[in-house]
Amino acid sequence: DQQVKQNSPSLSVQEGRISILNCDYTNSMFDYFLWYKKYPAEGPTFLISISSIKDKNEDGRFTVFLNKSAKHLSLHIVPSQPGDSAVYFCAARERKNRDDKIIFGKGTRLHILP
Amino acid sequence: KAGVTQTPRYLIKTRGQQVTLSCSPISGHRSVSWYQQTPGQGLQFLFEYFSETQRNKGNFPGRFSGRQFSNSRSEMNVSTLELGDSALYLCASSLAGAGAEQYFGPGTRLTVT
Repeated sequence: DQQVKQNSPSLSVQEGRISILNCDYTNSMFDYFLWYKKYPAEGPTFLISISSIKDKNEDGRFTVFLNKSAKHLSLHIVPSQPGDSAVYFCAARERKNRDDKIIFGKGTRLHILP
Repeated sequence: KAGVTQTPRYLIKTRGQQVTLSCSPISGHRSVSWYQQTPGQGLQFLFEYFSETQRNKGNFPGRFSGRQFSNSRSEMNVSTLELGDSALYLCASSLAGAGAEQYFGPGTRLTVT
């Protein structure tokens, strides 16, 4: 059973507009969420994270919003740039006895259109 | 600071063989995690090693094993390869563990024929 779901396999957004990538989760024990970005032939790179005690975290053009009651988080990229075209993975952490279990979503491919 | 390195980058094996993949983490990072990436399943966690001890394990069969050395370098072994093991295998290192910010290597592309 998928605990972290990225329901949109792909998304196309015009350059300069806002990109919104969504992620849903089912496990209420997740306490920390991360977004990673992946270019072809490279490993994922960390983008931004958010603790479950917060509802928003911002870093430059990237903002992550967390709605715990809906078990939903979203990544906003404003404004979208050509270099943002990549696959974005949402990940969630469950901490048990100081050991971390990390679950990734299947990813959303973002295309930024000129 | 050098990034995470993985060797080899590409590998072709036949069914039934075994394979060993290597990962060198960022200097100072004691946590090394391994992931399998396939088109249909995304990134799936294999296991995490921290200071030479396996700290966490995903839902993979016992054919997948790993180890970590005293210098934090890690190896992953897959025995009795199956066609379904064809995937990109990613290694990630971290200061604090798999649940914190991780730094990924470029991956090893394994093809099983």
